[in-house]
Amino acid sequence: GAVVSQHPSWVICKSGTSVKIECRSLDFQATTMFWYRQFPKQSLMLMATSNEGSKATYEQGVEKDKFLINHASLTLSTLTVTSAHPEDSSFYICSAPIQDHNEQFFGPGTRLTVL
Amino acid sequence: GENVEQHPSTLSVQEGDSAVIKCTYSDSASNYFPWYKQELGKRPQLIIDIRSNVGEKKDQRIAVTLNKTAKHFSLHITETQPEDSAVYFCAAIPAFSGGYNKLIFGAGTRLAVHP
Repeated sequence: GAVVSQHPSWVICKSGTSVKIECRSLDFQATTMFWYRQFPKQSLMLMATSNEGSKATYEQGVEKDKFLINHASLTLSTLTVTSAHPEDSSFYICSAPIQDHNEQFFGPGTRLTVL
Repeated sequence: GENVEQHPSTLSVQEGDSAVIKCTYSDSASNYFPWYKQELGKRPQLIIDIRSNVGEKKDQRIAVTLNKTAKHFSLHITETQPEDSAVYFCAAIPAFSGGYNKLIFGAGTRLAVHP
């Protein structure tokens, strides 16, 4: 199956700093990638749809100026959590579908802890 | 937009028993319904999926049924084993999601299989 990687797998940062998370499709091209956030014992909540070469589409209630998304190539999308605060601590997961297929392939996730 | 509800939130069974998890969706035009298994700290793993033109699908001990009229679909696990213990999520892709195949997840079911 298709492989999606994320980096870093975990990160600890101080409040007020920015953190960048990378999502890569390793063996296929992804014009679209999705970013999810998962709090402990909760479901995956879609944050935004990352589109190669154009602006991301954010879900209602997600601050686009706080969660910056850049999809600069067909294999890489980045999520930057700006001015992170403890309430941003969560498990961030990306996914990518193969074109014209419903199935999505998930990255291994990034656990962010903001002190 | 699409709303997916999942029940029960927790399920405890004895090894060898069957487990059933049910989901309902709101968008009658939704056309793809995957089920994911997620172990603690790991990415969701697709275990089975069903499309709207099919009523039932089986893969060894796992089966999914879809009732389009009632807008609900269910996951059936037979002969449960301790390694089936995990959180299971249903999801749906609304027919009209801007062409992006966005997954909308249910709240999850924590399954515990006791030896």
